[in-house]
Amino acid sequence: NAGVTQTPKFQVLKTGQSMTLQCAQDMNHEYMSWYRQDPGMGLRLIHYSVGAGITDQGEVPNGYNVSRSTTEDFPLRLLSAAPSQTSVYFCASSLGPNQPQHFGDGTRLSIL
Amino acid sequence: AQSVAQPEDQVNVAEGNPLTVKCTYSVSGNPYLFWYVQYPNRGLQFLLKYITGDNLVKGSYGFEAEFNKSQTSFHLKKPSALVSDSALYFCAVRVNDYKLSFGAGTTVTVRA
Repeated sequence: NAGVTQTPKFQVLKTGQSMTLQCAQDMNHEYMSWYRQDPGMGLRLIHYSVGAGITDQGEVPNGYNVSRSTTEDFPLRLLSAAPSQTSVYFCASSLGPNQPQHFGDGTRLSIL
Repeated sequence: AQSVAQPEDQVNVAEGNPLTVKCTYSVSGNPYLFWYVQYPNRGLQFLLKYITGDNLVKGSYGFEAEFNKSQTSFHLKKPSALVSDSALYFCAVRVNDYKLSFGAGTTVTVRA
């Protein structure tokens, strides 16, 4: 049982490059979310989805896009990377509100 | 706005001693509260949640949390800490059906 799988685990980008962070879950969860974790700031919600074809913005959506074409996958796209996007990114899924979120192990992203 | 605060950046205890990690909340209406733990280079793992009912909530790995409405607190406790409990702990509150708001985190170090 893989749970939530994120790829890649590490990535270094140059300013202005684009990339996609992958997230897949095998638990048939409807709810999926992307967070970024920065020191002393906890986790901040970037985008979330309540089911295939439905996405919405979180607290810090600027510079990021998402799509949800299947229940399993929820990729996060950086359109034009900036140094301020250097962070650790976590994908999470859950059965619904008030249910525990299951997190992937994160993608550590550095923007030079 | 729904939010939580973790007033201590770090907590240091000796193995075998009681462990308490503090969390206070600010919500309108009934709070839905969670505790998560993060080990190095891993995603967050769910420990326990309070939705309604008993003020003492039992969770994973021997942890429990006490909900105190008058003090607006939801402190995490463990009667006898282990070295393996050393990790980063996050308190979180449900903001709406789709979003959790996380505290900044408390680093727990348990010395042998």
